[in-house]
Amino acid sequence: AQKITQTQPGMFVQEKEAVTLDCTYDTSDPSYGLFWYKQPSSGEMIFLIYQGSYDQQNATEGRYSLNFQKARKSANLVISASQLGDSAMYFCAMREASGGGNNRKLIWGLGTSLAVNP
Amino acid sequence: DTGVSQNPRHKITKRGQNVTFRCDPISEHNRLYWYRQTLGQGPEFLTYFQNEAQLEKSRLLSDRFSAERPKGSFSTLEIQRTEQGDSAMYLCASSHRTGKINTIYFGEGSWLTVV
Repeated sequence: AQKITQTQPGMFVQEKEAVTLDCTYDTSDPSYGLFWYKQPSSGEMIFLIYQGSYDQQNATEGRYSLNFQKARKSANLVISASQLGDSAMYFCAMREASGGGNNRKLIWGLGTSLAVNP
Repeated sequence: DTGVSQNPRHKITKRGQNVTFRCDPISEHNRLYWYRQTLGQGPEFLTYFQNEAQLEKSRLLSDRFSAERPKGSFSTLEIQRTEQGDSAMYLCASSHRTGKINTIYFGEGSWLTVV
């Protein structure tokens, strides 16, 4: 069964420094997508970055990059130059392509709480 | 583009009462999802609509839960005879079938507290 593991319940980082949030996954489907979302205290789930299993390069979106190591089944999120506004919960999620269609249900990890210190 | 809108944002209800949440997806998005999230957990999938058709429903969705999307636009999630275990945040998301796989947009959620 597919599964997402985030082993860091909480992380601290100094403002302007980089931080890596870990995510490992388990799936038998050769085609899948990996997502990172940010959830501030307001509750909204904000999409950050996406990596497809067949993508040749690691995804990047501004200060966010995804360190995708397929053989190790890991998809760590790297946030560069941390800002105070980055303090939030961060969730890793996966969608398998089997079953047909796009954008169907996501399987989520438990999240990592990130605190950025001034 | 006003984003995914959910209301009410917060609802406190007594055990046994019925509650209904509404979700207005982004215009032209034909896919709509409901998730539930409890404290300290990631979201759990509840159900999925493509247009007005409910194509997938989680086993988490007991008989007390019903979701509709009558005209393929807004959706409602009703919980009948609420229990304390229903206390959670209910998240709605939408996407477009021909959009990029990563364009799944979430609303701000509806917090339910059952007392």
